[in-house]
Amino acid sequence: QSALTQPASVSGSPGQSITISCTGSISDVGAYNYVSWYQQHPGKAPKLMIYDVSDRPSGVSNRFSGSKFGNTASLTISGLQAEDEAHYFCSSYTTNNLAVFGGGTKLTVL
Amino acid sequence: QVQLVQSGAEVKRPGSSVRVSCKASGGTFRSYGISWVRQAPGQGLEWMGGIIPIFGSAKYAQKFQGRVTITADESTSTVYMELSSLRSEDTAVFYCARDRAEYDNYGRGMKSFDYWGQGTLVTVSS
Repeated sequence: QSALTQPASVSGSPGQSITISCTGSISDVGAYNYVSWYQQHPGKAPKLMIYDVSDRPSGVSNRFSGSKFGNTASLTISGLQAEDEAHYFCSSYTTNNLAVFGGGTKLTVL
Repeated sequence: QVQLVQSGAEVKRPGSSVRVSCKASGGTFRSYGISWVRQAPGQGLEWMGGIIPIFGSAKYAQKFQGRVTITADESTSTVYMELSSLRSEDTAVFYCARDRAEYDNYGRGMKSFDYWGQGTLVTVSS
């Protein structure tokens, strides 16, 4: 089980769109449509933003969207807002009831 | 409303063990997986392992295999995580997190986590 690969940082200006990638393997991201994304502000617990690749929990803004192609999943945030500045982590189900997280991406809103 | 309440902060000596609890309330306990996630200071999230209480047996990440034990007590709706042979690198906040959905027809959980505990800081220091 290797951690999923995310860029260390991304940035964007208010109103712009950004995309964060999450690369895994044929054993996790590529094998299952069970990729999820989490937002974490400093000192807080993570918050689920996307599940099952592209579904949003109730209450999460539709500015957040997810997709997957092959072994790489992506999180797109459109219409960037100051409060979107946070760390973002992807996660994937892998075989036999195991899970794995990505290393995390720090989003800076310029 | 589902709530996960974890036990308080711990300070431990290297080589010792720590047990952290996670008490669930407000939902069905036995059919939702509970996972444990470690976050070292300034670092990312690491999935350590998880358990679906109705099945009883836990699954562990390879990195923690042999050092972590996760158990569930259905009578108190509490999941425990015990980490042994502690070293300074284990200093971290430990979170419990509940599966968003019940296990599926294949007995699978651990797909996504919608409720999280408040976190428990474990400090390992001599």
